[in-house]
Amino acid sequence: DIQLTQSPSFLSASVGDRVTITCRASQDITRYLAWYQQKPGTAPKVLIYGASTLQSGVPSRFSGSGSGTEFTLTISSLQPEDFATYYCQQLDRYPRTFGQGTRLEIK
Amino acid sequence: EVQLVESGGGLVQPGGSLRVSCAASGFNSSNYWMHWVRQAPGKGLVWVSRINPDGSSDSHADSVKGRFSISRDNAKNTVYLQMNSLRADDTAIYYCARATDSSGYFSFDQWGQGTLVTVSS
Repeated sequence: DIQLTQSPSFLSASVGDRVTITCRASQDITRYLAWYQQKPGTAPKVLIYGASTLQSGVPSRFSGSGSGTEFTLTISSLQPEDFATYYCQQLDRYPRTFGQGTRLEIK
Repeated sequence: EVQLVESGGGLVQPGGSLRVSCAASGFNSSNYWMHWVRQAPGKGLVWVSRINPDGSSDSHADSVKGRFSISRDNAKNTVYLQMNSLRADDTAIYYCARATDSSGYFSFDQWGQGTLVTVSS
């Protein structure tokens, strides 16, 4: 199975900050990576697919980059509604594994 | 409005069975690969199973292989997850999700609200 390791697991930041979350894959997944945001008590929501393509309706302050085994999700200027948990997911092979999550909290 | 609605969750004893359903509306689910993802209380997302559009092919996580099966009734726009030999560590919210291919890259672009399955005596 392909393992995805996110770092950090926990991040404390302030409104207006720029933050970056990293996702490392245990083997080459080219660009078959998606990022999701999950708020407490709700289902995940896709932000990015194909490593860098913004899902329709997602604010442009979110961006993704990377290929192969190293990927990043960047939020350019944190807004209050961005405090949530973020997951990466590989869609290259089965099982479709997720990273362990990065919890983003208000400082 | 595109929507996925899960149902059928509840409390079941260890070793028991349960079938959860996912009803799709606002789109023709027979055109999509459909997946189940679970989330134990306070934990992360774990992929469980998937089924192809016509129901002829499926796959499962090793942790549920041989115990869970996935099926679909495209006439009813519904996907099912049959769970047998349930264990305490199967306790989770079960989400169904639609996989969409955009320019060759899939993502899970629609999710249901989830249904809670609790395995306990």
